[in-house]
Amino acid sequence: DIQMTQSPSFVSASVGDRVTITCRASQGIGTWLAWYQQKPGKAPNLLIYSASSLQSGVPSRFSGSGSGTAFTLTINTLQPDDFATYFCQQSSGFPFTFGQGTKLEIK
Amino acid sequence: QLQLQESGPGLVKPSETLSLTCTVSGGSITSSDYYWAWLRQAPGKGLEWIGNIYNSGSTAFNPSLKSRVTMSVDASKNQLSLKLRSVTAADTAVYYCASTTTIVRGAIERWGQGVLVTVSS
Repeated sequence: DIQMTQSPSFVSASVGDRVTITCRASQGIGTWLAWYQQKPGKAPNLLIYSASSLQSGVPSRFSGSGSGTAFTLTINTLQPDDFATYFCQQSSGFPFTFGQGTKLEIK
Repeated sequence: QLQLQESGPGLVKPSETLSLTCTVSGGSITSSDYYWAWLRQAPGKGLEWIGNIYNSGSTAFNPSLKSRVTMSVDASKNQLSLKLRSVTAADTAVYYCASTTTIVRGAIERWGQGVLVTVSS
């Protein structure tokens, strides 16, 4: 299986800050990479697909970049609603696999 | 807009079979626009992909679960089903049905709300 490793596991930030989360794949996955936001007790919500394509309805303060084995999710100008857990997911090789998650907490 | 809703027992005994149904509304389960997936998330843990089922009826399962999993589609009811045999406590999780399209290249566009299944005697 392709292993996905996110860093950091926890990040503390304030409203208005810019945050970057990194995801690394154990082998090259091209741009077959998605990012999700999950809030407690809820299903994940797709933010980014194909590494950098913004899903319809997702605010433009979210952006993704990268290819191959290294990817980033950037959230500009953090809003109160953004404090949640974020996961990356590869769909290059089956089984599709997820990172372990990054919890974004309010400082 | 496509909506998915999981249903099934919240408690299953060890060694028995977990059976869940996902009812799809707002679109046809046989549409070539979508394919379907089941995923799970153990309490406080990350997400695990169980498998995919396509409108052709073909399936792809996570090798770690392949020997115990069955997925099927009931077009007459617009429902998906998941069966997981010989469950243990390690199978305790929130189970999600989900849909994706070729546009988002394997990402999950729509999720059900999830159903918590606890394996315990």
